[in-house]
Amino acid sequence: QSALTQPASVSGSPGQSITISCTGTSSDVGSYNLVSWYQHHPGKAPKLMIYEGSKRPSGVSNRFSGSKSGNTASLTISGLQAEDEADYYCCSYAGGSTLVFGGGTKLTVL
Amino acid sequence: QITLKESGPTLVKPTQTLTLTCTFSGFSLSTSGVGVGWLRQPPGKALEWLALIYWDDDKRYNPSLKSRLTITKDTSKNQVVLTMTNMDPVDTATYYCAHRRGGDYHYDYWGQGTLVTVSS
Repeated sequence: QSALTQPASVSGSPGQSITISCTGTSSDVGSYNLVSWYQHHPGKAPKLMIYEGSKRPSGVSNRFSGSKSGNTASLTISGLQAEDEADYYCCSYAGGSTLVFGGGTKLTVL
Repeated sequence: QITLKESGPTLVKPTQTLTLTCTFSGFSLSTSGVGVGWLRQPPGKALEWLALIYWDDDKRYNPSLKSRLTITKDTSKNQVVLTMTNMDPVDTATYYCAHRRGGDYHYDYWGQGTLVTVSS
């Protein structure tokens, strides 16, 4: 399977909202509502932010939200904060117990 | 609190076999539905799922790497071991282990990762 496509970088000012896209195919993102998003601060363990497309784990701020349209999933972060600056990765189930990830998006809070 | 930590060599030579250990706490791999997976991320590239082992010893592998991978568990030691044979410089990556609950298609807890460099 090919990696999901994410923009290499996005940026926003504190308080603003940003959206990170994650484009797959009809074999992964388009076929299953099983997209997850991870926040990764370099050197630390990746953190699950969204699962099953739009669900937030306990403890994750409601500033983070997920959605999907066709073969593209999106992560929206509202009310940007400095601590949101990190790398973000999307992931989708692709059938046969396989998961496929995106290449990652570096979020810069200006 | 669930934690996982990867350990193993930081440098391996081409053609050698890599053995990585994931030591975890906060859950038991004998609990129904629980799984531990291995993933990796080469520098500047996407994350890649490698292998997964479930509480009942059911094992799943990335089809593109299946011939080179073996995943095992030692429930008494709270460890999961991944071996990858015939290492190549393209296998240079940060390797992660992560926790997954049965019925889920995401990893809810991850280790910090360990960087493995393949070079002669």
